[in-house]
Amino acid sequence: DADVTQTPRNRITKTGKRIMLECSQTKGHDRMYWYRQDPGLGLQLIYYSFDVKDINKGEISDGYSVSRQAQAKFSLSLESAIPNQTALYFCATSDGREETQYFGPGTRLLVL
Amino acid sequence: GQSLEQPSEVTAVEGAIVQINCTYQTSGFYGLSWYQQHDGGAPTFLSYNALDGLEETGRFSSFLSRSDSYGYLLLQELQMKDSASYFCAVGSGTYKYIFGTGTRLKVLA
Repeated sequence: DADVTQTPRNRITKTGKRIMLECSQTKGHDRMYWYRQDPGLGLQLIYYSFDVKDINKGEISDGYSVSRQAQAKFSLSLESAIPNQTALYFCATSDGREETQYFGPGTRLLVL
Repeated sequence: GQSLEQPSEVTAVEGAIVQINCTYQTSGFYGLSWYQQHDGGAPTFLSYNALDGLEETGRFSSFLSRSDSYGYLLLQELQMKDSASYFCAVGSGTYKYIFGTGTRLKVLA
């Protein structure tokens, strides 16, 4: 089984809809991250969490919110989706020791 | 501000050696990482340098010079499967991880 899983893998939604992307990990890591990737570009950090009670904004948090339900679960919500949020979203985890991150397979989101 | 610069594209032939450079500007720097991403896939960790010098892992090596705010990834004995995008990333005191825009490596037969 994969160490970091994301659901759904693909999603099409309409402008104004609320959508939640979920991430689960079995690596036992405390640190979890959400990134977005636009075509041909790098990864931009949306939010990160160093433990269940610690949530921090990244570079591009506007329009997004997160919930850390447990050590193993970190969800990303788009309260009112807009077309420029169309992107590939990755969840990642880290144990913090060597700045090594383990990425999930990604969620491809299309906002119409 | 915080930024990383790496070439957008590099082309090389099978069996060759290629170097992908990364220069960075950031506060609170504590390490440089490299990731590989195949089209449609997730980034996967390749290497990490916290200290100056060369780290070798099989065909891949990574170098860091903190005084020059510079690092590179060296790929030897290139194979077709090495065709992918390569990202450098720095640990930063502000946003924890900042990724470059990636270098697309094309390996030709």
